[in-house]
Amino acid sequence: EAQVTQNPRYLITVTGKKLTVTCSQNMNHEYMSWYRQDPGLGLRQIYYSMNVEVTDKGDVPEGYKVSRKEKRNFPLILESPSPNQTSLYFCASSFGGRGSRDRIFGRRLEQFFGPGTRLTVL
Amino acid sequence: DAKTTQPTSMDCAEGRAANLPCNHSTISGNEYVYWYRQIHSQGPQYIIHGLKNNETNEMASLIITEDRKSSTLILPHATLRDTAVYYCIVRGPSGSARQLTFGSGTQLTVLP
Repeated sequence: EAQVTQNPRYLITVTGKKLTVTCSQNMNHEYMSWYRQDPGLGLRQIYYSMNVEVTDKGDVPEGYKVSRKEKRNFPLILESPSPNQTSLYFCASSFGGRGSRDRIFGRRLEQFFGPGTRLTVL
Repeated sequence: DAKTTQPTSMDCAEGRAANLPCNHSTISGNEYVYWYRQIHSQGPQYIIHGLKNNETNEMASLIITEDRKSSTLILPHATLRDTAVYYCIVRGPSGSARQLTFGSGTQLTVLP
């Protein structure tokens, strides 16, 4: 079954204790991304990756790191979590594709989302 | 990317068609209309997208007006499991971030 998996699904931690949220997809997608969702603010992109070893910042990258050593995995790392990083996190992946032809672009935003990780930082 | 406007909430009777409108009056010629939904605290789920023509898949139909300034997502036979927030997103091919900007969406409640 085609899917995006995230672990853990729930995590309560304390300020400053490094943590990693894993994300894995089995669809051979080039593009992967992390979002956080907060009440009243919608989904905001943290980081994204166009392919292996290619990552870039989204709208709210401060306090986060990512890596893309393998195509299927895109872990989110919080080196020193703080309470303002308490949120619901989603990983997403999609077809990569090249060029600007409409049909290819149209598929690029068919993003598959993981089930979410609810993180609480005390 | 063009801004979208959706009603805050809608109700629909189970088994009836749910018609969710979206206004995107500033859409440009190469921008697509995408629909996603999010069932409470689950990951958003892609539904359908279109450029100019109406589209249909196993989940829904998308009707885009001829001037492309608005669209309607149709769930032909709504079930209780279709209760969710529905997001209409307009996105063009410029840039490479493929970031999805989710607005407030429409809370659809399917009533038994």
